[in-house]
Amino acid sequence: AQSVSQHNHHVILSEAASLELGCNYSYGGTVNLFWYVQYPGQHLQLLLKYFSGDPLVKGIKGFEAEFIKSKFSFNLRKPSVQWSDTAEYFCAVNVPGGGADGLTFGKGTHLIIQP
Amino acid sequence: EAQVTQNPRYLITVTGKKLTVTCSQNMNHEYMSWYRQDPGLGLRQIYYSMNVEVTDKGDVPEGYKVSRKEKRNFPLILESPSPNQTSLYFCASTSSGSSYNEQFFGPGTRLTVL
Repeated sequence: AQSVSQHNHHVILSEAASLELGCNYSYGGTVNLFWYVQYPGQHLQLLLKYFSGDPLVKGIKGFEAEFIKSKFSFNLRKPSVQWSDTAEYFCAVNVPGGGADGLTFGKGTHLIIQP
Repeated sequence: EAQVTQNPRYLITVTGKKLTVTCSQNMNHEYMSWYRQDPGLGLRQIYYSMNVEVTDKGDVPEGYKVSRKEKRNFPLILESPSPNQTSLYFCASTSSGSSYNEQFFGPGTRLTVL
């Protein structure tokens, strides 16, 4: 079964700083990759997803992620964070055609943006 | 509006008292699943359903039951809740097919078992 590792459990940044959250997965075959965000007290929302094609994907709110197959990585980036980006971020993976397995999530990264 | 709804949103109960958390989606999705979210552990899948009358265990199914009698509903049943089932629960749905689509999540149910 696949697994997902998020390197940082807690990240604190100042506004306007650049952000990169690490995500690595363990599965040798083709995968679908996702980043979800959970704002305080809210449910999960999809930030962006990668199925195939251009490995650099752009999502909502200025976020982007790059799929590097050789490194089994799907890191999330944002050039300049805002206070409103304070949230928990989850990387997730799914095996195409293996819908029975649903999503495998990382343990999450709690991001705090200081004004 | 396309959505996944859960009820109740908050529940405090005592050990051993059976409870059901309902989940309903209005998107005609075939695939539905339940996750629990715990600090430091992320989300873990409890059960999933590929379609009506088709359910299967996820990663952490112990102590839970589900049913899928109708396409839109996927209730989570705790026959005899225990304190280690205190958690935040999310229901999710997606359409099946050859390619995987985005899962839509419900608002969550915060359960406390005393």
